[in-house]
Amino acid sequence: ELTQPPSVSVSPGQTVTIPCSGETVGDQNACWYQQKPGQSPVMIIYQDSKRPSGIPDRFSGSTSGNTATLTIRGTQPMDEADYYCQAWDSTTAWVFGTGTKVTVL
Amino acid sequence: QVQLVESGGGVVQPGRSLRLSCAASGFTFSSYGIHWVRQAPGKGLEWVAVIWNDGVNKYYADSVKGRFTISRDNSRNTAHLQMNSLRVDDTAMYFCARDPEVHDSSGTRFDSWGQGTLVTVSS
Repeated sequence: ELTQPPSVSVSPGQTVTIPCSGETVGDQNACWYQQKPGQSPVMIIYQDSKRPSGIPDRFSGSTSGNTATLTIRGTQPMDEADYYCQAWDSTTAWVFGTGTKVTVL
Repeated sequence: QVQLVESGGGVVQPGRSLRLSCAASGFTFSSYGIHWVRQAPGKGLEWVAVIWNDGVNKYYADSVKGRFTISRDNSRNTAHLQMNSLRVDDTAMYFCARDPEVHDSSGTRFDSWGQGTLVTVSS
């Protein structure tokens, strides 16, 4: 299982970090997905820290030990969404984190 | 542009079957693994199954193993999820997603998703 905080709040323009902890994390395999209400998830980070084309550079990822972290710098109201981490290992196969709701106050 | 379109969802009684389809366009379908991921109402994402590019390797979540079967037809750019012995807790939005490096433990990822199809299991 990958554990995330259920919710975080942030003021516009500020920085927010979302941790994702679990034994599955490591070996450059963490991904992050953003899901807005009523929409499909969108991949925003892969291989711990890589950003797909079209994803703003205010989104970044990092991993230390068994914890992956998503950082959003200069948070905008449009970043209000649910965020899920995801990783793979030989025991649990593909697994998603519990999800974090980001509220931009 | 890349498109994945799911279909086949609906309302079904417990114990019955349903077959979902995922129609792909805008990319070389046979170069990608295809996953099914589900999301129960108000809940998080749950990985369900995957099929590799060539259709040989298939893996399932424990929660659906023995009841669901994933398949693909590369000549028709389509993947399917056959769901048998459906249970109330299978109720969810089902998404298909493509994976450019499904065989690579570090590179595997869900880089494009469909809009989902809703499955409701209820008596």
